[in-house]
Amino acid sequence: IAGITQAPTSQILAAGRRMTLRCTQDMRHNAMYWYRQDLGLGLRLIHYSNTAGTTGKGEVPDGYSVSRANTDDFPLTLASAVPSQTSVYFCASSDGRAGGANVLTFGAGSRLTVL
Amino acid sequence: GQNIDQPTEMTATEGAIVQINCTYQTSGFNGLFWYQQHAGEAPTFLSYNVLDGLEEKGRFSSFLSRSKGYSYLLLKELQMKDSASYLCAALDSNYQLIWGAGTKLIIKP
Repeated sequence: IAGITQAPTSQILAAGRRMTLRCTQDMRHNAMYWYRQDLGLGLRLIHYSNTAGTTGKGEVPDGYSVSRANTDDFPLTLASAVPSQTSVYFCASSDGRAGGANVLTFGAGSRLTVL
Repeated sequence: GQNIDQPTEMTATEGAIVQINCTYQTSGFNGLFWYQQHAGEAPTFLSYNVLDGLEEKGRFSSFLSRSKGYSYLLLKELQMKDSASYLCAALDSNYQLIWGAGTKLIIKP
């Protein structure tokens, strides 16, 4: 089934640990995104990538890094996790470039708890 | 600042009609999206409006008034499976998506 696969589904992490959330898409979409979703707030963009080899910062990039080595994969890394990074993380992709009226396809989400 | 307002929660009855409102204040405007998100799942695309007026897609319709900074999502013939959160998101002048916090719709039999 075409779409976006995220892993892990859920993770509990000690503060200070490094964590990578994986995201893979099989739709050959150009643009990919990482969002966090917190109760009572709208989705907030962390980082995005318009195409393989390029990345950009979103609204809340601090404490996170991304890479886009190829079209399909867009991992999100927390170098040293803090409790405020407890959230549900969604990876998304779109056919057009980030910065257009593009329909987003989302992964199922990764629930991260930092203690 | 940029802002999206939508009600936190609404309740409606199976078979009825419900209208979920969204007001936006953005730096420029390039369209408005509605997404549906069932609990514990990914958001899925419902509609995109960039011109004023009503667009109908089966039981769901979306309306936009650019002059009023206002949109609504109209759901007809409500079914239990429509219980979900509905997310409103506006595209600003830089084509950045500004998301509302979502409206949780509860359908009662």
